[in-house]
Amino acid sequence: EIVLTQSPATLSLSPGERATLSCRASQSVSSYLAWYQQKPGQAPRLLIYDASNRATGIPARFSGSGSGTDFTLTISSLEPEDFAVYYCQQRTAFGPGTKVDIK
Amino acid sequence: QVQLVQSGAEVKKPGASVKVSCKASGYTFTSYGISWVRQAPGQGLEWMGWISAYNGNTNYAQKLQGRVTMTTDTSTSTAYMELRSLRSDDTAVYYCARVGYGDVRGYFDYWGQGTLVTVSS
Repeated sequence: EIVLTQSPATLSLSPGERATLSCRASQSVSSYLAWYQQKPGQAPRLLIYDASNRATGIPARFSGSGSGTDFTLTISSLEPEDFAVYYCQQRTAFGPGTKVDIK
Repeated sequence: QVQLVQSGAEVKKPGASVKVSCKASGYTFTSYGISWVRQAPGQGLEWMGWISAYNGNTNYAQKLQGRVTMTTDTSTSTAYMELRSLRSDDTAVYYCARVGYGDVRGYFDYWGQGTLVTVSS
């Protein structure tokens, strides 16, 4: 069973800053990893699939990278609407999430 | 446009059962699987299981085996999730999600709005 860990648990940044979120898998998952954004009271939204492909309608400021066991989600310049919780996922496993909040 | 619309909030007593529905529209229902994901208050996301809308095959999370049943009705493009022997720690928002990009990769590209199930005596 694959276990996903995410770091940091919380990231405090200001609008306009760059956010770098990490996800690590307990064993290689090749490039089969997705990232989701969830805002309070809303369902998660798919941002990135296959580690680096943006889902339909996702702004270019969101990018994903990595393969094997180490993955990164980067938000190049935070917009006010980007403050949320971000989860990585590999098939039946979700990471515990990283909360990006306003500094 | 793709939409998944779930049934409304439920309040149940411990030991009871709940059945949540998820009506799909905007795509060919039998071409995609449906997964169910739950989220306890203030907690992360937990995968519960998957059903093929094509042939009804299922795969359930081990911790829920024996208590959960997922079904589909292709005539109404609706998926159902029934959870039995409810406990207080089953209190959560339950989401259905379409499995896009192929069942092997298992990414959730569209989500329902969520159904709050509260288990309380």
